Amino acid sequence: KAGVTQTPRYLIKTRGQQVTLSCSPISGHRSVSWYQQTPGQGLQFLFEYFSETQRNKGNFPGRFSGRQFSNSRSEMNVSTLELGDSALYLCASSSSEGYTEAFFGQGTRLTVV
Amino acid sequence: KQEVTQIPAALSVPEGENLVLNCSFTDSAIYNLQWFRQDPGKGLTSLLLIQSSQREQTSGRLNASLDKSSGRSTLYIAASQPGDSATYLCAVPFYGGATNKLIFGTGTLLAVQP
Repeated sequence: KAGVTQTPRYLIKTRGQQVTLSCSPISGHRSVSWYQQTPGQGLQFLFEYFSETQRNKGNFPGRFSGRQFSNSRSEMNVSTLELGDSALYLCASSSSEGYTEAFFGQGTRLTVV
Repeated sequence: KQEVTQIPAALSVPEGENLVLNCSFTDSAIYNLQWFRQDPGKGLTSLLLIQSSQREQTSGRLNASLDKSSGRSTLYIAASQPGDSATYLCAVPFYGGATNKLIFGTGTLLAVQP
């Protein structure tokens, strides 16, 4: 059974650009959550999707957005990149709508220069 | 507001030693608690999920305990090995409505010396 797949693994972008990250959850999982991990702030929740609906959103500016498709794959987009957006972005997959075990992908390392 | 704390922030032990990692949470109204391992620059690997109705959960050399009333969980690693070196994180689900949103602790960086 394939795990959670995040693409790309590494990205280097320039300030002001935009970026799209992709996450394919475990087959059959309909819940996808996104987190940002930085050395200073640790793991911070970005947003959560279940069956194409955003259910929760963390305390991030509107430049951060996401969506989920009918096949449960999810994308997150960051527009007008800032240096502070450099981080490891992690996606988690869960089998049902709440309180179930989370399985993470390998992450996308975003560097903004 | 739920807060999750892990102590110590870093730990270095010789190979073969048994060790305990601690996780504290401020709100005892939790559904479960999950322990993860993270290798440098990598994603999180789920180690154990312990339900609120359970007191212990075991997987190989790992044993997690949960005491909701005191707001504490411990991860016991028996006979540590250099391959156990990693950051260990605990997390609890956000309480309120159906959600898989997790609140993470700050992590314990473990180094097992050969």
